[in-house]
Amino acid sequence: KAGVTQTPRYLIKTRGQQVTLSCSPISGHRSVSWYQQTPGQGLQFLFEYFSETQRNKGNFPGRFSGRQFSNSRSEMNVSTLELGDSALYLCASSTGGAVTGELFFGEGSRLTVL
Amino acid sequence: GQSLEQPSEVTAVEGAIVQINCTYQTSGFYGLSWYQQHDGGAPTFLSYNALDGLEETGRFSSFLSRSDSYGYLLLQELQMKDSASYFCAVRENDKIIFGKGTRLHILP
Repeated sequence: KAGVTQTPRYLIKTRGQQVTLSCSPISGHRSVSWYQQTPGQGLQFLFEYFSETQRNKGNFPGRFSGRQFSNSRSEMNVSTLELGDSALYLCASSTGGAVTGELFFGEGSRLTVL
Repeated sequence: GQSLEQPSEVTAVEGAIVQINCTYQTSGFYGLSWYQQHDGGAPTFLSYNALDGLEETGRFSSFLSRSDSYGYLLLQELQMKDSASYFCAVRENDKIIFGKGTRLHILP
């Protein structure tokens, strides 16, 4: 069973640009969550999608957005990039019932903003 | 809002036992999870407690006290490969919120 796949793994952008990150969940998983990880800040929740609907959203500005497709694949977009957006963006999938609280993470997309 | 508190760093000796504590403040609490993350790697699920008590999985155990809003991860017979960051996370309704992580250093 393939794991969670995130693309691209690494990318470099400049301030003001936008970026789109992609996440393919484990087959059969309908929930996809996105997290931003920076040193010392742990994993900060961005948003969660289930069956193409955003169920929850964290405390991030509107520049951060996402969507989920009918095949459960998800994308997140960050517009007007700022230096502080440099981080590891992690995607996690689950069945959606979250009964056990178990999330399956991808390796992440490391974004550097210059 | 939600908050989770865990120590930023813990140091222990190979072969010993270490406990990583986590206190939380949330609404709509459903359960407490623990994740391990090695440098450069993805977080991996270790355990989940929905009810009070101790859950044991091999060398790792996790404890929850809902009345105290407190839990801990216990690692026994420490091995060098256990050097990693450990995150507690709470399930609040349909989302899972993570603490800032505890960096575990293991000395030979």
